[in-house]
Amino acid sequence: QSVLTQPPSVSAAPGQKVTISCSGSSFNIGNDYVSWYQQLPGTAPKLLIYDNNKRPSGIPDRFSGSKSGTSATLGITGLQTGDEADYYCGTWDSSLSVRVFGGGTKLTVL
Amino acid sequence: EVQLVESGGGLVQPGGSLRLSCAASGFTFSIYWMSWVRQSPGKGLEWVANIKQDGSEKYYVDSVKGRFTISRDNAKNSLYLQMNSLRAEDTAVYYCAREYCSGTSCYPDYWGQGTLVTVSS
Repeated sequence: QSVLTQPPSVSAAPGQKVTISCSGSSFNIGNDYVSWYQQLPGTAPKLLIYDNNKRPSGIPDRFSGSKSGTSATLGITGLQTGDEADYYCGTWDSSLSVRVFGGGTKLTVL
Repeated sequence: EVQLVESGGGLVQPGGSLRLSCAASGFTFSIYWMSWVRQSPGKGLEWVANIKQDGSEKYYVDSVKGRFTISRDNAKNSLYLQMNSLRAEDTAVYYCAREYCSGTSCYPDYWGQGTLVTVSS
């Protein structure tokens, strides 16, 4: 059972938009910034979003992040088949003194 | 180019020990926090431990406290994870990750390719 809650799966058609939610508490999301990671099949995670809504260089603006209270959201527009991957949110939990991740969301581009 | 290369994984019996290494290059290793994150087969990411730049602070997930020890050698640009009293539930791919601190928060920004640890008799 992950500290951060994500939907197990989401799906959408190519070209469409999808959002992935990440729910936590006042000890984690409510108290720190959120980062998002993309894990393509068989590869290591890759940073997509940091500080809730910032993109590292090289990450297209089709990917966006937001945070409100104890929840965060990853948005992906203009879906491509290459976006099919597992997506994870993460942050620091001040009560546990550990980094926590969501359980991951599998994105299927139909 | 930032590179993190893990090694040391393999098959070990329950109760056994293993030492993972992570060789870092392409950045100034000594100024970054570093982490280990694991992923059991078919499961999600689980943060294991991290260590401050000079090794003076270390944090662990409860499930490995007292069994795993994170350490680093800044002269060798290397991160380590000593794993003792291994259990079947420790079976996972172990990733080494650099932690970047932006001034507002810290987060893993670069990850290695991972090394597989299998605990089985």
